[in-house]
Amino acid sequence: AQSVTQLGSHVSVSEGALVLLRCNYSSSVPPYLFWYVQYPNQGLQLLLKYTSAATLVKGINGFEAEFKKSETSFHLTKPSAHMSDAAEYFCAVRGANSKLTFGKGITLSVRP
Amino acid sequence: DVKVTQSSRYLVKRTGEKVFLECVQDMDHENMFWYRQDPGLGLRLIYFSYDVKMKEKGDIPEGYSVSREKKERFSLILESASTNQTSMYLCASSHPPPNEQFFGPGTRLTVL
Repeated sequence: AQSVTQLGSHVSVSEGALVLLRCNYSSSVPPYLFWYVQYPNQGLQLLLKYTSAATLVKGINGFEAEFKKSETSFHLTKPSAHMSDAAEYFCAVRGANSKLTFGKGITLSVRP
Repeated sequence: DVKVTQSSRYLVKRTGEKVFLECVQDMDHENMFWYRQDPGLGLRLIYFSYDVKMKEKGDIPEGYSVSREKKERFSLILESASTNQTSMYLCASSHPPPNEQFFGPGTRLTVL
């Protein structure tokens, strides 16, 4: 079975500061991992994905994530936060079937 | 550009009414999904479909049914709406591996 843990429900950073959103997963098969972003009253948009190629994955809007098998982690980072990054972020893992298991999400706030 | 559309952004219904939520994708994807999203609970899978006329229960199917008569269209049906079905409903579709899901904008349903 698959599971995703996103610790905490809310992260607040200053504009220009490093963004770090943590994701740990559990998977019974080699994982495919995803980060999605959701802006208020919208659907989810794919930020980036890991599909067993490079362990450092670059996504849209300057975000990147590193797959670490030994730590079962796939943390999302951005070197410099922008006000427009304020949103909810979800980590997800694909299981043996085509379904995705999502974490509970984490809300990012960016202070001016 | 990939597109998943949902029939309504906002919907208000009365307890006991039959409710239809429609989802259409233009990407020729085999897989389609219905989720509900509630604060603090993340995304929970209601039903999914691997092909036309095929459906499988997700994690919370009680009180819901689905229909997939055409590949591009996946409908969620609330047979008799109840107040605890007030939620944001998200539709998604995906293609074979890596199975990243593409989401619609969501329908915010309120049951009075």
